[in-house]
Amino acid sequence: KAGVTQTPRYLIKTRGQQVTLSCSPISGHRSVSWYQQTPGQGLQFLFEYFSETQRNKGNFPGRFSGRQFSNSRSEMNVSTLELGDSALYLCASSLKTGYGIGELFFGEGSRLTVL
Amino acid sequence: DAKTTQPPSMDCAEGRAANLPCNHSTISGNEYVYWYRQIHSQGPQYIIHGLKNNETNEMASLIITEDRKSSTLILPHATLRDTAVYYCIVRGDFGNEKLTFGTGTRLTIIP
Repeated sequence: KAGVTQTPRYLIKTRGQQVTLSCSPISGHRSVSWYQQTPGQGLQFLFEYFSETQRNKGNFPGRFSGRQFSNSRSEMNVSTLELGDSALYLCASSLKTGYGIGELFFGEGSRLTVL
Repeated sequence: DAKTTQPPSMDCAEGRAANLPCNHSTISGNEYVYWYRQIHSQGPQYIIHGLKNNETNEMASLIITEDRKSSTLILPHATLRDTAVYYCIVRGDFGNEKLTFGTGTRLTIIP
């Protein structure tokens, strides 16, 4: 069974640009959540999608957005990039079907460098 | 803010049991204790979780105190591949996939 797949694995952007990251969850998983990891702030929750609806959102500015498609694949977008957005962006999927608790499976991440 | 407190680092000899403590004194009745680990530059990996009973799986054992204010993750026979940052997380069962990660414990297995 394939794991969570994130693309691209590495990318370099310059300040002011925008970036789109993609996440394909494990087959059958309907919940996808995103996390940002930096050396200074550690792992921080960005948002979670379930059945194409955003269900939870972390404390990030509106430049960070996401969406989920009908096949459960998800994308996140960061506009007007800042140097501080350099980070490892992690996607996680889970098999929850409603309001039950689900184990999270993480992808390998997309490492974004903003110059 | 993270609801858990863990020592920043620990060492353990290869082949010995690694015991990683976690304090979660403000845990509420419907919150689970989850453990994840992150090996350098990889995504976090689920290890085990529990509510109030001790749990064991092929990777580890989880011991939760009776008052649920602390727990211990036990890796019974640590190997070099167990070197990682270990995160203890408390999480509700109300459909919230938001995990609040603390700083974790950096476990180093010594040959």
